[in-house]
Amino acid sequence: DGGITQSPKYLFRKEGQNVTLSCEQNLNHDAMYWYRQDPGQGLRLIYYSQIVNDFQKGDIAEGYSVSREKKESFPLTVTSAQKNPTAFYLCASSIGAQNYGYTFGSGTRLTVV
Amino acid sequence: AQSVTQLGSHVSVSEGALVLLRCNYSSSVPPYLFWYVQYPNQGLQLLLKYTSAATLVKGINGFEAEFKKSETSFHLTKPSAHMSDAAEYFCAVSGGGGTSYGKLTFGQGTILTVHP
Repeated sequence: DGGITQSPKYLFRKEGQNVTLSCEQNLNHDAMYWYRQDPGQGLRLIYYSQIVNDFQKGDIAEGYSVSREKKESFPLTVTSAQKNPTAFYLCASSIGAQNYGYTFGSGTRLTVV
Repeated sequence: AQSVTQLGSHVSVSEGALVLLRCNYSSSVPPYLFWYVQYPNQGLQLLLKYTSAATLVKGINGFEAEFKKSETSFHLTKPSAHMSDAAEYFCAVSGGGGTSYGKLTFGQGTILTVHP
C-alpha cells in the first residue's frame, strides 16, 4: 500500500545538536510539507516543496532546514538555532491539485533533553 | 488569501448526543474544504471533503458536513456521538493559484470530548 512514512516516531535531542527527521512517500506525490504542532496552536507550516530541488519557507522556518533531492523524500533538519524545538512534527504530501487535500504521516515527537 | 475559523477550541458531548463542530471560511475563489481528524500522537486522517459536486458531503465514521455558501460555513456533524469519536478535528480550505496551488490553510482545531 502507498503511504507516507515518518521516522523516528520519538526523538530526543540534546541542547546544541542538529537532528534530522525523515519523511518518505511512495504515493508519487509532487508536493510535500512539514508542519509543527504544539498544544493549542494548531498546525504551523515550516517548509513546503512543490517540485524536486525546490522548496519554500512557511510561516515558522527559522531554525529549520530542508532538502528535496528526490521526489520521494523531504527530510527536515532541526538546527541548534531553533530555540524551542520540543514539539510534534508532521509531514504531509499531495498531488498539488486544489481538490485533493493531503496525506499525512504519523508524526515524530521531538523532545529536548 | 484563504482563512479558516473553527468556533470553539473544545467541545464536550455525551455519548449518543449530536456532534456539531463549526467551521467558517474566507476565500476569494471557490473553495475546496476538508475535515481531518487526529487521534493522540497520530497524524491527521481525512474525514471528508467538499469539491463542489454536492453541498452535503458524507464521510467516514458517520460524519457529514454541509457546505453553505451564503454563510461561508462547512460545519461537521454526527447524529450520535461514540466514545471513539474523541479526538481533535481540523477544518481546512484549499484554493488560489500560483505558488499556493493545492496548499491547505488549517483552522486551529477543535478537541472533541465524549462523556459516557
